[in-house]
Amino acid sequence: EAGVTQSPTHLIKTRGQQATLRCSPISGHTSVYWYQQALGLGLQFLLWYDEGEERNRGNFPPRFSGRQFPNYSSELNVNALELEDSALYLCASSLGTSGGQDTQYFGPGTRLTVL
Amino acid sequence: AQSVAQPEDQVNVAEGNPLTVKCTYSVSGNPYLFWYVQYPNRGLQFLLKYITGDNLVKGSYGFEAEFNKSQTSFHLKKPSALVSDSALYFCAVRDYGYGQNFVFGPGTRLSVLP
Repeated sequence: EAGVTQSPTHLIKTRGQQATLRCSPISGHTSVYWYQQALGLGLQFLLWYDEGEERNRGNFPPRFSGRQFPNYSSELNVNALELEDSALYLCASSLGTSGGQDTQYFGPGTRLTVL
Repeated sequence: AQSVAQPEDQVNVAEGNPLTVKCTYSVSGNPYLFWYVQYPNRGLQFLLKYITGDNLVKGSYGFEAEFNKSQTSFHLKKPSALVSDSALYFCAVRDYGYGQNFVFGPGTRLSVLP
């Protein structure tokens, strides 16, 4: 069974540009989560999508946005990039069952560097 | 609000010795607790979780964790450490109910010395 995949592996942008990161969940999973892992910091929750809808959002500015497609894959967009956006962006997927006990499975991440 | 603490930034242990990575949590209801491991430049790998039932949970690669409700702890353990266990370990908690986020601890770096 294929795991969570993310593309691209690395992304280099300059300040003010836009970045688009992509995630494909495990087959059968309907929930997709996005996290930011900046150097020296833990995982910061960004966004959660389930069944095509945004279910929850972390404490990030509106220039961080995303969407989930009908096939449950997801896209994270970061507009007006700032130097501090440089980080590893992790995507995770889960079955999306109610109650919250389902496990999140993580992709390998996209390393975003803003110059 | 949920929170997770991992009181040790770094844990060093000799190969073959038992290891413990500590985690304490705070939730308003019944917790779901998880442990993940992260190797350099990789995503997180799931180790084990506690949902309900037996307080001792066994997971991947010989790891286990004990849920202690009175102490609000969920420490990760392994009877005999391997050099290959050296990595960054994250504890996470999720409160019961749809819509609750995962909250991750800051991580503990485990170094197993040969």
